[in-house]
Amino acid sequence: SQQGEEDPQALSIQEGENATMNCSYKTSINNLQWYRQNSGRGLVHLILIRSNEREKHSGRLRVTLDTSKKSSSLLITASRAADTASYFCATDAWGGGSNYKLTFGKGTLLTVNP
Amino acid sequence: DTGVSQDPRHKITKRGQNVTFRCDPISEHNRLYWYRQTLGQGPEFLTYFQNEAQLEKSRLLSDRFSAERPKGSFSTLEIQRTEQGDSAMYLCASSSPGQGVGYTFGSGTRLTVV
Repeated sequence: SQQGEEDPQALSIQEGENATMNCSYKTSINNLQWYRQNSGRGLVHLILIRSNEREKHSGRLRVTLDTSKKSSSLLITASRAADTASYFCATDAWGGGSNYKLTFGKGTLLTVNP
Repeated sequence: DTGVSQDPRHKITKRGQNVTFRCDPISEHNRLYWYRQTLGQGPEFLTYFQNEAQLEKSRLLSDRFSAERPKGSFSTLEIQRTEQGDSAMYLCASSSPGQGVGYTFGSGTRLTVV
């Protein structure tokens, strides 16, 4: 089963614009992570935010986490054509026995037009 | 160490045949995960190893699927009597010990059952 739900499913923007993707989840979490996947390839870890953090930055990426609403957002600023990819949120659920297993959403397909 | 390696990259097999995939994780990572991803979906958890011990298996992993990680190094995923529904990308990931760490994914093995 997939815990995270990304929104929107697809997003098309022009180079230089900002892209915002949202993720909602259902259970309490230890942390939430964002990954990028280029077509037909493996996933690349972008950023991790812990349940006691509200915001985190890494380069052109900004992630927020609202545990009361069980939601997160990923902002990519000044987008580039090379940012074109699918973006997935993944949650590490709280509680014994999770074995640090990540549960992924269905992803947002971002297209950045040059 | 250049990351997580998966072999083969692509596999086409006839229905009913057995297939085996290999994953070589990052050497200092003690955790290893197998995921399956179908088109337009996020990765779905299959199984998890900590060192050589298989600690969790998804209900998705029918008795036709078996995974091993001898000596806690590389891992193999075998599918017996393949079915067309097994067609998917099989992703391997590894992570280092500790909480709140991201996964490093391999490029995946794309299986097509004809």
